[in-house]
Amino acid sequence: GNSVTQMEGPVTLSEEAFLTINCTYTATGYPSLFWYVQYPGEGLQLLLKATKADDKGSNKGFEATYRKETTSFHLEKGSVQVSDSAVYFCALVNTGGFKTIFGAGTRLFVKA
Amino acid sequence: NAGVMQNPRHLVRRRGQEARLRCSPMKGHSHVYWYRQLPEEGLKFMVYLQKENIIDESGMPKERFSAEFPKEGPSILRIQQVVRGDSAAYFCASSPPSAGGGNEQFFGPGTRLTVL
Repeated sequence: GNSVTQMEGPVTLSEEAFLTINCTYTATGYPSLFWYVQYPGEGLQLLLKATKADDKGSNKGFEATYRKETTSFHLEKGSVQVSDSAVYFCALVNTGGFKTIFGAGTRLFVKA
Repeated sequence: NAGVMQNPRHLVRRRGQEARLRCSPMKGHSHVYWYRQLPEEGLKFMVYLQKENIIDESGMPKERFSAEFPKEGPSILRIQQVVRGDSAAYFCASSPPSAGGGNEQFFGPGTRLTVL
């Protein structure tokens, strides 16, 4: 079956630190991969996506590269800000599918 | 173009009451999905609907839960005889009609249901 595994949180960083949140997936087909962000008390916002192998999604300084050989889609940012504090969800939708399969989420705290 | 709209944003019910959650998809979107997020967990798929049709309800609890997406009006997720374990955030998402699937889904702000 399809599943997403992401690193457990919480992750606590100081402002301007480098961020990596690991995400690996299993899928029977060729999924599209997504990172969503959820700020406190709000819904999900799409952060970035990649639809095929070796694609790099990027937005607001965040990046993730679709690695088929390692079935990974790790989220990175070179310099985090306090405003990046949120929960980050890795997700996939399989080719021809409609269910978005979410990881459990990783909570990020950024200290000033 | 307004995003996905959900109401109410917060809903409090006592055990045994009914909860009705509404979702209006983005303009031009004919596919609606409902997800549930339990505290400190990721979102879990519940049901996928198109206008007047339930396409997949494999994530719906077998009892007390139902969903509809009528020809006119919003999609409704209905929970009868709520219990404390139903307390969660319920998110609706929509996507445009497209062959092949795998499309990005646009999420609403969610309805936070609290059962007392």
